[in-house]
Amino acid sequence: GQNIDQPTEMTATEGAIVQINCTYQTSGFNGLFWYQQHAGEAPTFLSYNVLDGLEEKGRFSSFLSRSKGYSYLLLKELQMKDSASYLCAVEGQENTDKLIFGTGTRLQVFP
Amino acid sequence: ETGVTQTPRHLVMGMTNKKSLKCEQHLGHNAMYWYKQSAKKPLELMFVYSLEERVENNSVPSRFSPECPNSSHLFLHLHTLQPEDSALYLCASSQDWEQGLAADTQYFGPGTRLTVL
Repeated sequence: GQNIDQPTEMTATEGAIVQINCTYQTSGFNGLFWYQQHAGEAPTFLSYNVLDGLEEKGRFSSFLSRSKGYSYLLLKELQMKDSASYLCAVEGQENTDKLIFGTGTRLQVFP
Repeated sequence: ETGVTQTPRHLVMGMTNKKSLKCEQHLGHNAMYWYKQSAKKPLELMFVYSLEERVENNSVPSRFSPECPNSSHLFLHLHTLQPEDSALYLCASSQDWEQGLAADTQYFGPGTRLTVL
């Protein structure tokens, strides 16, 4: 079966660093996406990893280990506006563009 | 703004009503998607259209009926829904849908919050 696991909720302080983990067990793997979703708004694309390693994009970085079925999203210099849900999504089946989403991690940033 | 709009943003309907959700993308994409997002559940893919043809139907009940008249517009027609169908319905689009290639980034609309009484 297909399974994406990520923590339900996390809290952090403004200016800090937070790491949101995602583990997956899927039939096949083509890539992993991270999306950010503010309450009542559309999910917006953050990152895409297909090869092992770290992809850095400003304050946000995403890491992938295909052999371990593991990814994380790293948020640095946290700001209040980073309070949102972070969705991990895997393109899990070969020969399809179907995305399998985790339940999302709700991050609350406190002053 | 992601270039994908959805109307209405909120909808309350009875179980005997018929309503439609509308999605429009202004990105020149060829693929469009309907997702259902329920509380504390993962996003669930419902339908995929590529070049106005349905290429994916994830065992969705027939009370949900999609329509894609052109590559910019996608509808979800609703009839005789159940209270458990209450959820956020998200539309997304991507450049292409091609089997065997890595997924194109999907751009989401703001969603329609549906409540079925």
